[in-house]
Amino acid sequence: GAGVSQSPRYKVAKRGQDVALRCDPISGHVSLFWYQQALGQGPEFLTYFQNEAQLDKSGLPSDRFFAERPEGSVSTLKIQRTQQEDSAVYLCASSSSTSKSAEAFFGQGTRLTVV
Amino acid sequence: RKEVEQDPGPFNVPEGATVAFNCTYSNSASQSFFWYRQDCRKEPKLLMSVYSSGNEDGRFTAQLNRASQYISLLIRDSKLSDSATYLCAVNIAGYSTLTFGKGTMLLVSP
Repeated sequence: GAGVSQSPRYKVAKRGQDVALRCDPISGHVSLFWYQQALGQGPEFLTYFQNEAQLDKSGLPSDRFFAERPEGSVSTLKIQRTQQEDSAVYLCASSSSTSKSAEAFFGQGTRLTVV
Repeated sequence: RKEVEQDPGPFNVPEGATVAFNCTYSNSASQSFFWYRQDCRKEPKLLMSVYSSGNEDGRFTAQLNRASQYISLLIRDSKLSDSATYLCAVNIAGYSTLTFGKGTMLLVSP
């Protein structure tokens, strides 16, 4: 497909379970972002990759959150020992440029529900 | 105080009305500004970038007021299909990412 693809679209996890969320950015896009969007809120930044380098992870809420992009394309966001407060939509976005004025295209997100 | 603030609404307007939203930002080092549209349970999609000189795209006009640190979005001749949440996004100098507001919900009724 031509857009940003995320999987799974929906994930229900039991508290304490580990989850892995996948993002396939638009082919050739160097910049990749992960955001967390809680109900009724705007997207909140988690982490940023430029190719395979994780340049900013200041938004990751705890050390239970880990992201990687080993080959500079597909990225995985992993959450260990999930908690109820982790329930949110996790959005991935990619951009063709490192310019801060470049458009970022979002995937449809993964809706995580921790029960 | 949040870095980017928006009135959450909802703004209820009839078809054909003109409606305007503001978004204030607290960091004067902000450099790039955007309006995104987000439909219910969908991803945000870029509506328009906001330039210093202001810009217009059909029924949509975006403006930037650096002195008062806000951006605005004006929608003329509202359509039912304009019903959505409008997110403003700001890129702050030295930061690699966008900072979003909570969004303003617009409901256009027949």
